[in-house]
Amino acid sequence: NAGVTQTPKFRILKIGQSMTLQCAQDMNHNYMYWYRQDPGMGLKLIYYSVGAGITDKGEVPNGYNVSRSTTEDFPLRLELAAPSQTSVYFCASSGEVVSGNTIYFGEGSWLTVV
Amino acid sequence: GESVGLHLPTLSVQEGDNSIINCAYSNSASDYFIWYKQESGKGPQFIIDIRSNMDKRQGQRVTVLLNKTVKHLSLQIAATQPGDSAVYFCAETGSSNTGKLIFGQGTTLQVKP
Repeated sequence: NAGVTQTPKFRILKIGQSMTLQCAQDMNHNYMYWYRQDPGMGLKLIYYSVGAGITDKGEVPNGYNVSRSTTEDFPLRLELAAPSQTSVYFCASSGEVVSGNTIYFGEGSWLTVV
Repeated sequence: GESVGLHLPTLSVQEGDNSIINCAYSNSASDYFIWYKQESGKGPQFIIDIRSNMDKRQGQRVTVLLNKTVKHLSLQIAATQPGDSAVYFCAETGSSNTGKLIFGQGTTLQVKP
């Protein structure tokens, strides 16, 4: 049981490049989330999904896209990378009943855009 | 808009003392609150949660207090240990039932030996 797995762990992108951050969970959770965390700040929600085929915007969706074709996977796509997207990205998942110990976070993906 | 904030950015305590970390929230409709611990280079780790129909909840060495009148949340850590050194975040679910979390800025807890 791996929990929430994010790849890659670290990535450097040039301005204008595109990339996809992968997120997978093996807990059969319906709810999945992508957050970003800037230095010294709390996490901000980018996108979330309440089940396969359903996605919705969070607080800071601009510059990102997501898809949820399966329950397990929730990739985050950056189409035209900008320096403002330099951040740490966390994927999370949770079960039906929202309680803190069912919201599992991945280890994070460090992205630098230069 | 919805926001969750913390009063102090850094808290320094002596090992063995009790720590109190505070949090203010703005959405009176929030019915669920969580404290997370985040160590350097890692994702947030669940510590303790509380629902709005409670004003206190205790865990192992940790207690969360909720004051809905003034929209204030606190985390108390008893007998603070060096391993408690980390950034602590409060989070609320706001008025949504989809599990979306609104995080505060974070308080850095430094434990002096």
